Amino acid sequence: DAGVIQSPRHEVTEMGQEVTLRCKPISGHDYLFWYRQTMMRGLELLIYFNNNVPIDDSGMPEDRFSAKMPNASFSTLKIQPSEPRDSAVYFCASSFKTVQGQPQHFGDGTRLSIL
Amino acid sequence: DQQVKQNSPSLSVQEGRISILNCDYTNSMFDYFLWYKKYPAEGPTFLISISSIKDKNEDGRFTVFLNKSAKHLSLHIVPSQPGDSAVYFCAASSSYSGAGSYQLTFGKGTKLSVIP
Repeated sequence: DAGVIQSPRHEVTEMGQEVTLRCKPISGHDYLFWYRQTMMRGLELLIYFNNNVPIDDSGMPEDRFSAKMPNASFSTLKIQPSEPRDSAVYFCASSFKTVQGQPQHFGDGTRLSIL
Repeated sequence: DQQVKQNSPSLSVQEGRISILNCDYTNSMFDYFLWYKKYPAEGPTFLISISSIKDKNEDGRFTVFLNKSAKHLSLHIVPSQPGDSAVYFCAASSSYSGAGSYQLTFGKGTKLSVIP
């Protein structure tokens, strides 16, 4: 059974460029989460979706960040324009709704470096 | 304002001994707690959880204890094995958050090293 799949695994790009991170959740999961991990702030929730609809985007740091979920099997996180302080590991996770506390299943992350 | 705190960034334990990882929280609305384990270059993986209606949950070598009055939980690993060396994250959620009850708030993690 395939887990959460993220691409690319690594991305190095220059400041000002557009960056698009991709995520395929586990089939049948109806919640999808985007996190960012940094040394200073740890794992922070950026945005999450339920049945492809954004529920809470209060963690998105700035208007430069946007996320979409066009269908149940695909989501993107876009940064435009990118800045060096956006360098971090970005994780996507998915879960079932059934009960509160249902464990979230994480992808292996995208390590983003903005030069 | 950190609502979930793991005050020990690292912990070293001898193989075969007990590892105890601690977590404190400040939000009294949290009523479900989870521990995740993370190896380098991988995503966090779920380890064990506990509801606030319990004070202990056990799964093999892993036991989580919850002290609601102290707003403290701990993860015990007995016996510790070299393969347990990883970063452990504590996470919490609140059923009172409505649509947000599926959100997890994470601590910054504790790096456990089990020495053979």
